[in-house]
Amino acid sequence: GAGVSQSPRYKVAKRGQDVALRCDPISGHVSLFWYQQALGQGPEFLTYFQNEAQLDKSGLPSDRFFAERPEGSVSTLKIQRTQQEDSAVYLCASSLEAGANYGYTFGSGTRLTVV
Amino acid sequence: ILNVEQSPQSLHVQEGDSTNFTCSFPSSNFYALHWYRWETAKSPEALFVMTLNGDEKKKGRISATLNTKEGYSYLYIKGSQPEDSATYLCASSDWDSSYKLIFGSGTRLLVRP
Repeated sequence: GAGVSQSPRYKVAKRGQDVALRCDPISGHVSLFWYQQALGQGPEFLTYFQNEAQLDKSGLPSDRFFAERPEGSVSTLKIQRTQQEDSAVYLCASSLEAGANYGYTFGSGTRLTVV
Repeated sequence: ILNVEQSPQSLHVQEGDSTNFTCSFPSSNFYALHWYRWETAKSPEALFVMTLNGDEKKKGRISATLNTKEGYSYLYIKGSQPEDSATYLCASSDWDSSYKLIFGSGTRLLVRP
């Protein structure tokens, strides 16, 4: 597609509910990233995929967070047993190659509110 | 661990004013510096990627400079327009994890007509 597509755009979850956030990267982009942006802060790195391989998941805040990209294209970020502190905008980005010499193309994000 | 700082936090200017923001980052092991513009309800848009000390890049009325030795970058907007209103984010990466962008908190710019 023309850009990175994320769905849903907004998600309200009750505390304890599981959620799944989807990212469709630009076709052919090898690298895919998830970032979390809490209110008033900059985006924070969660995880990085190169094709289907998850090369870095050091930013995932807890074992309740899980990301996958099974066929090297679409990615899903799953949050189990959501907590209020999980409320944030979740951004997905893709890039043609690994490394940061290219600007990343971001999606519009999913705004998650846990009530 | 990188710590990226941006100032000011927010800025209100009149249409036609020129303005600039600062991004500071750790200079050791530096790999790249990115600038993004993020308009409300849209996706962050890449403005510049800079890697070399002394680099200067320009895109229309917006330009950026990079000083990797002292660890700062400036973003300049000449003749601000209301459509420039957005949050401007900078992000840095290092050689250990060149793919991992560490973002500042952003500078929110509001241009009044």
